[in-house]
Amino acid sequence: GEDVEQSLFLSVREGDSSVINCTYTDSSSTYLYWYKQEPGAGLQLLTYIFSNMDMKQDQRLTVLLNKKDKHLSLRIADTQTGDSAIYFCAETPSGGSYIPTFGRGTSLIVHP
Amino acid sequence: ETGVTQTPRHLVMGMTNKKSLKCEQHLGHNAMYWYKQSAKKPLELMFVYSLEERVENNSVPSRFSPECPNSSHLFLHLHTLQPEDSALYLCASSQERRRNTEAFFGQGTRLTVV
Repeated sequence: GEDVEQSLFLSVREGDSSVINCTYTDSSSTYLYWYKQEPGAGLQLLTYIFSNMDMKQDQRLTVLLNKKDKHLSLRIADTQTGDSAIYFCAETPSGGSYIPTFGRGTSLIVHP
Repeated sequence: ETGVTQTPRHLVMGMTNKKSLKCEQHLGHNAMYWYKQSAKKPLELMFVYSLEERVENNSVPSRFSPECPNSSHLFLHLHTLQPEDSALYLCASSQERRRNTEAFFGQGTRLTVV
């Protein structure tokens, strides 16, 4: 299986909350990231969480980490049409060169 | 603008052509990466350069040839490509060896092989 897994699509109504989920396999991951890719653009870091944290909040974004289940989620409150993009989960291992491993990305579609 | 610039943004090439993709960063980073993004596949790491030395080459076919002349520039030389090589090629840079290392991505080159 893949090292980082995400569902491919999520569709929500404007104003609702979006929850994007990710599972990973490397229990030694130190940092876990959420990147956002808008159409025609590269990936841009949205937020990250250190592996000794359970939760991190940053304005409309909430990241939850369940280290036991190796599950990471990104919650976007009050989702707007501008949030429509592909969201990538990524991890960096504890050793080696800290090269991030990415999932396939979840396409978030926000409709009015 | 992320500080990582890729040119060209779009490229159409025949299977017998030779072309090069260019990536430039002025963020003072010491690591640069090439990724391939195809539809319905995970983001694939192709090559990593750290301090201008190639440190990773993920079983990429020899028709892709990277070059890193200095820490600010990275090239991907292409020759005799196949239609399945059509994809978005993303360059990224980071300050490697830092634990929390954010990768900064360019906008990508959309490559179509005909």
